[in-house]
Formats: sequence, C-alpha cells, structure tokens
Amino acid sequence: AQKITQTQPGMFVQEKEAVTLDCTYDTSDPSYGLFWYKQPSSGEMIFLIYQGSYDQQNATEGRYSLNFQKARKSANLVISASQLGDSAMYFCAMRGSGNTPLVFGKGTRLSVIA
Amino acid sequence: DGGITQSPKYLFRKEGQNVTLSCEQNLNHDAMYWYRQDPGQGLRLIYYSQIVNDFQKGDIAEGYSVSREKKESFPLTVTSAQKNPTAFYLCASSDRGDTGELFFGEGSRLTVL
Repeated sequence: AQKITQTQPGMFVQEKEAVTLDCTYDTSDPSYGLFWYKQPSSGEMIFLIYQGSYDQQNATEGRYSLNFQKARKSANLVISASQLGDSAMYFCAMRGSGNTPLVFGKGTRLSVIA
Repeated sequence: DGGITQSPKYLFRKEGQNVTLSCEQNLNHDAMYWYRQDPGQGLRLIYYSQIVNDFQKGDIAEGYSVSREKKESFPLTVTSAQKNPTAFYLCASSDRGDTGELFFGEGSRLTVL
C-alpha cells in the first residue's frame, strides 16, 4: 500500500519569494509515480507536475520543480517567484505500479502575502 | 472541448434520502474514479473503475454505490446508509498512458440537512 505524508498544514510566503512544500511517501513498489496538484478555492484540481521513480532528472514545469530524493522517499514541490494566484491547497499524490488509483496526502494550504 | 462534467455542482438533501451524482467524460479514458474530500482529510478514494462493467471498492466505499454501463459515465449514488454524506465529491478519469495523470471534474458539494 502507498502512503503520502504532508506535514505542513499551512504555509505563508512573501510574493516573489520561493517556497518549498514537503511531501514524503512510502511504498514497496519498485516503480511508482509522484504527482502534485493545486486546488484553488473554486475546488477544481489542477495538475502541476509529475515525477517517475526511474526518472534521472528532477521534473520541472515553468515555476514548479519537484525535488525528488529517492533514498529519503521525499518529493518536495518548489515554487519559484511566488505570485498571489499561487494561494491554494496543494496535494501530493502517488501511484504504484500498474494502473492503481492515486493516493493523496492531506494537503498544504499556501498563502502568498503581498 | 474534452473534459469531465460533474453535476449538480451543489446539492441539498434531507437525511435518509439517496442521492445520485453524475460524472461524464469525453476524453475516451478507460479508468474513472470517485474521491471524497473533507476539510483537513485530503482526497479519499470511494470507488474506481478501470473498464466498462467493472468497478472496485476504494478505502471508504461503505454507504456508496456506482455503476459503469458506458465508458463515458460513472455515476455515484450516496445511499442513506452513508453516515456522514456531507462532503465535496470529485470525479476523475485517466488513460493508460505514460503517467496515468488524473483529470478531474469541478466537483459536487453535497449537503445533507
């Protein structure tokens, strides 16, 4: 079984600063995928970034990067140059081998301050 | 535009009534999922289906039922047996592609009075 832990219920960051949202995971599958989603107050879930367990490089998508440390089982999301529109809930999730459903963490609420 | 449509967006029901939430996708995805979201709980899996006419229970299936008669549709019924049905419900789909990323609908907020 997979498990995702997000230890920061809430975070504050100043506009234009970088912020790191923590995520650790637990799985016995040799092959897995890690995801980050953003949920604004409207409730929609927006896919941000994906990292495969065998990917050699850390994933990046625009201002988002995933700091993947396999030995530590961590997959932290780094948001550079924070914007007011980044204020939202952020969920880390993982999928084990096969087409198994995603397992989600409890989320981190990020507030960007002007 | 391809996507997932959930309806209704908001729903109020009296205790003891069954409620059906609709989820339709035109992404031609094989797999569909229902998640429940409560404050501070993240998303928890209710049911999922990887192919038409087949579905599996998730972590919190008690008090819920689903059907998958068509590839495009995966309705969720919240029965009177569900003890705490007030929640935000999210439907999602995925294909068998490279990452298996989930595509989500906009959600349905159910309030039981």
